[in-house]
Amino acid sequence: QVTLRESGPALVKPTQTLTLTCTFSGFSLSTSGMCVSWIRQPPGKALEWLALIDWDDDKYYSTSLKTRLTISKDTSKNQVVLTMTNMDPVDTATYYCARIRTSGYDLSDAFDIWGQGTMVTVSS
Amino acid sequence: QSALTQPRSVSGSPGQSVTISCTGTSSDVGGYNYVSWYQQHPGKAPKLMIYDVSKRPSGVPDRFSGSKSGNTASLTISGLQAEDEADYYCCSYAGSYTHWVFGGGTKLTVL
Repeated sequence: QVTLRESGPALVKPTQTLTLTCTFSGFSLSTSGMCVSWIRQPPGKALEWLALIDWDDDKYYSTSLKTRLTISKDTSKNQVVLTMTNMDPVDTATYYCARIRTSGYDLSDAFDIWGQGTMVTVSS
Repeated sequence: QSALTQPRSVSGSPGQSVTISCTGTSSDVGGYNYVSWYQQHPGKAPKLMIYDVSKRPSGVPDRFSGSKSGNTASLTISGLQAEDEADYYCCSYAGSYTHWVFGGGTKLTVL
C-alpha cells in the first residue's frame, strides 16, 4: 500500500524559511520512473503545482516560485524535503505531496497518490 | 489566476449527466495527452479520477469519463449521485519549462 504523509510547522513568520517533509512508504524513489511532487492549495482556492523530484535526482520547479524553492530527497529514509524561503502571508496554504510516475507504468503522468496535506499559516 | 480555465460551478440532479470543461492552450492541454482530473471533497486531499485524458484508475466508477478536443478537455459524470458533490480540478502537463498546470476548479452541486 502506497502512503505519503506531510509534516512541518503549522505556523511560520513572514520572511522565515519553511521546511516541509514528505515521508512515504510502499515505493522507492530510487526505482526508475518514480517521482514525488509538492502541490499547495490556499484556503478556498485552486491547486498549484510547486516542484518535483525524480528517481534520478532531477529537480523541476514552478517558474513563478523557482527562486524560493528547493526540493531534495533522502532515499534511505523514504523522504522528500521542500524548502521555501522568504515566506509571505500569501503562502498560507495546505501543502500536499503526491506520487507521480513517468511513462512506462500502466498509470503514469498523473498524481496518483496524495498525502493528507499539512496546513501552513504565515503570520507574525 | 490558474493556467487552465474551468467553470466555477456546475449542477445536476441525481441520475443526470454533467460535463466540466477545462480549457488551456496548445502548450498544455492541446499539446499533450497528459490531462488528469481530481475530485476533492471538503477538507480532504484530491483523488485521481481520470488520467491520460480518458483512462480511469482502478476503483473509479465508469460513470466518470474524460475526453479532449483541441485545447479543451472535458470530464463527464453520468448517473449523478449525491456523493459526487465535490470540487473537481483538471491538470495538464505543460512541457519541460512549465511542467504541470492546474485548473481553477469546479464546484459540482448535486441538486
